[in-house]
Amino acid sequence: GAVVSQHPSRVICKSGTSVKIECRSLDFQATTMFWYRQFPKQSLMLMATSNEGSKATYEQGVEKDKFLINHASLTLSTLTVTSAHPEDSSFYICSARDPNRRGPYEQYFGPGTRLTVT
Amino acid sequence: AQKITQTQPGMFVQEKEAVTLDCTYDTSDQSYGLFWYKQPSSGEMIFLIYQGSYDEQNATEGRYSLNFQKARKSANLVISASQLGDSAMYFCAMREGSTTGGGNKLTFGTGTQLKVEL
Repeated sequence: GAVVSQHPSRVICKSGTSVKIECRSLDFQATTMFWYRQFPKQSLMLMATSNEGSKATYEQGVEKDKFLINHASLTLSTLTVTSAHPEDSSFYICSARDPNRRGPYEQYFGPGTRLTVT
Repeated sequence: AQKITQTQPGMFVQEKEAVTLDCTYDTSDQSYGLFWYKQPSSGEMIFLIYQGSYDEQNATEGRYSLNFQKARKSANLVISASQLGDSAMYFCAMREGSTTGGGNKLTFGTGTQLKVEL
């Protein structure tokens, strides 16, 4: 099956610094990728929809200047958490949509990135 | 109103027994898709089963089946012959609209933590 990778799997950064998370679709071209955030014991909350070659669409309440999303190619989207603070500590998960599929295999999730801001 | 409602924050089941995890949804779209994912403690999202709104038969995938009651807007997951490895968080999710129309984002329920006991 299709695979989506994320890098890094875990990252610890100091408050005030920026951290970049990569999401790659390994065997298909993903015109659309999604970024989710999940706090402990909570559900996945969609942060933004990333479309290749255009600006990301952010969900209500998500600061676009803080969570920078770049979808520069059909296989790579990046999420940069700028000026990170401890409250940004969370599990970040991306998913990628395969435009050639619908139904059960239309989206594939990455393994997630656990961000800890100290 | 919540788009996806999972009313069981936690469930226990004995090994080899069947268990039903509840999910109700709210949409005015005629075309939509319903998904169930399993999230073990590692955090990865594992796709289990999918039901399209126009599918007349209930979806089945091995030990997983989806009890789709369209008029009641429910999409309960049934796991038969539970195994210790089934212990995880389970999320119900919905994709509204046609995949060709750009409405591809998933909305997740709050999840049900399932624990399988000996």
